[in-house]
Amino acid sequence: GENVEQHPSTLSVQEGDSAVIKCTYSDSASNYFPWYKQELGKRPQLIIDIRSNVGEKKDQRIAVTLNKTAKHFSLHITETQPEDSAVYFCAASKEGGGADGLTFGKGTHLIIQP
Amino acid sequence: DVKVTQSSRYLVKRTGEKVFLECVQDMDHENMFWYRQDPGLGLRLIYFSYDVKMKEKGDIPEGYSVSREKKERFSLILESASTNQTSMYLCASSFGGLNEQYFGPGTRLTVT
Repeated sequence: GENVEQHPSTLSVQEGDSAVIKCTYSDSASNYFPWYKQELGKRPQLIIDIRSNVGEKKDQRIAVTLNKTAKHFSLHITETQPEDSAVYFCAASKEGGGADGLTFGKGTHLIIQP
Repeated sequence: DVKVTQSSRYLVKRTGEKVFLECVQDMDHENMFWYRQDPGLGLRLIYFSYDVKMKEKGDIPEGYSVSREKKERFSLILESASTNQTSMYLCASSFGGLNEQYFGPGTRLTVT
């Protein structure tokens, strides 16, 4: 099955700086790569996703890049703010006959230092 | 606004008990999922369903079963609870295919 590795497990950055979280996946058939944000005590929520037919996608301060050849994808957050503090999970999946569940990375705890 | 609800926020059960966790979504989603979340391990897929009465094993199905008799409801069953099933259980739902999954608030299950 799919295996998703996520690094680093903890990332501390100064407010206003950029943060980058990296993930690799093992199944070359995977074609959908979402990122979820989970604030303390709350449920995970999708912040951005990318499909394998594009290499980059941006949404305001957040961007995701995908390198299918190397089987890795990254989340970039620019101009970090205190509300960006959370645990971020990358995931991978592929289109199946019906649904396919997501395989998640183990998460990155992002800490924004004031 | 999508709403995914779970029957309990906190649950304490004894070893060997049969445990039912229920999830209900109100968006007419085809897909429903059960994950467990443990510190340092992320979210791991237990079972999912893409239609009524259909079910597929995820990465860690051992010790669990599921039931989907109605489109809006997906139940996770622990046939004989064990202490290693102490965890946070998250339900999610989505439209068919690969789309955003909406998560419920979670059930923190403790098995003593």
